[in-house]
Parts: sequence; C-alpha cells; structure tokens
Amino acid sequence: DFQMTQFPSTLSASVGDRVTITCRASQSISIWLAWYQQRPGKAPKLLIYKASSLQSGVPTRFSGSGSGTEFTLTISSLQPDDFATYYCQHYNNYLTAFGQGTRVEIK
Amino acid sequence: QVQLVESGGGLVKPGGSLRLSCAASGFTFSDYYMSWIRQAPGKGPEWLSYISNGGDSIYYGDSVKGRFTISRDNAKYSLYLHMDSLRAEDTAVYYCARVPVYSSGWQLDKWGQGTRVTVSS
Repeated sequence: DFQMTQFPSTLSASVGDRVTITCRASQSISIWLAWYQQRPGKAPKLLIYKASSLQSGVPTRFSGSGSGTEFTLTISSLQPDDFATYYCQHYNNYLTAFGQGTRVEIK
Repeated sequence: QVQLVESGGGLVKPGGSLRLSCAASGFTFSDYYMSWIRQAPGKGPEWLSYISNGGDSIYYGDSVKGRFTISRDNAKYSLYLHMDSLRAEDTAVYYCARVPVYSSGWQLDKWGQGTRVTVSS
C-alpha cells in the first residue's frame, strides 16, 4: 500500500531559524510532490509543486528539494507568519496522497 | 482574483444525503480540472474526487466511491459534490480546489475556505 511519511510530526523553532521538514514516499514518485501550509482555521495553501517549483506569490525563503522517495521543505529564516502546519502531497495524474503533517510551533 | 466559495454544509443524520456547491470566479472555470478534499477534525487533508474540465473524466478515492458524486456546470462556474449514505466518519470540513493540469500539473493550486459537514444523530 502506497504511503507518504512525513517527519517530524512537531517541530519547535524560533524566529530566524532554518527549518527542514522531510517527506518520504514508500516507492519512487519522481518529482510529483507538493507542499502546503495550513494556518489554524484556514484552508491549505500551495507553497511548492513538482518538488522544487515555487508557487507564484510564495516568499523565496521557502524551498523544496528531492526526487524519488525523499523530499524536503526548507524555510531559510522562519518568520512569525510561518508558524503553521505543513503537509506534503504526492500526485501522479489522478493518484494522490497526503502526508500526516508537521506542526511548526514557537520554541 | 481567483475565488472558490463552498456552501451547502450542515448537520445531517447518518444515512442521509447532502449536496455541496463550490462557486468559482476570477478564472476561466472550463479550463481547469477541479477537486474535492476533506479534512476531519485534527487530521490531515484527504483527497476525495477529481473531475476533468469538460466533466468527462472523473476519479474517486476509495472511501467515497459509490456514495459520493462529483459534477460541474461550466456555464454556472460551479462544482458540486452529492453525498449519499453519510456516515459519522464523513464529518469534516470539505474544500473544493482548482487543479492546473494543463499548465503545471495535478497539484491543488487554489482552495476555497471550506464548508463544514457534521454527520450525527
């Protein structure tokens, strides 16, 4: 059964920190991975698609990398607005699966 | 600007039905695939269904196949989700989202604000 495993589940960090979140696929998914940010009570917002393409309007402190089975989302310098939950999503045509999420909280 | 506004959520008894709507604006609706996703309380998003821009290709997740029906009316810039045989585990916030298949891929690039569905007796 295909799975996306995201870690850590919770991450404590301070403003200005460099933060990395990892998403691992149970089988190779090439570059078909997206990252979303979700603030409490809000809809998810697309940050990165095709593993490393920055969605229009998203700050450049967000970056994505990886291919195959291991992917990372990096926030180069954490800002107050960035405390939120982040989800990865594999997509390949109509097949799709979300990771369990990583909550980024204030240290 | 792109806007997606869901409506139609509410409280429904187990076994009941509900129809959700998603009103789109700010883009050419007929150029885009669309999708429904839900999020149960405290959980991550769960993809439910895709529909092609013309409505002729439809895909469902296993948890809703046979119970939920996605449809669209391009003239009305509207997306729908008809939900039958609702269960307690269908309780969630339901989102519609745009899928830019023809420009960049199957990611979900714009989301609505969601509509809450509660299934309880």
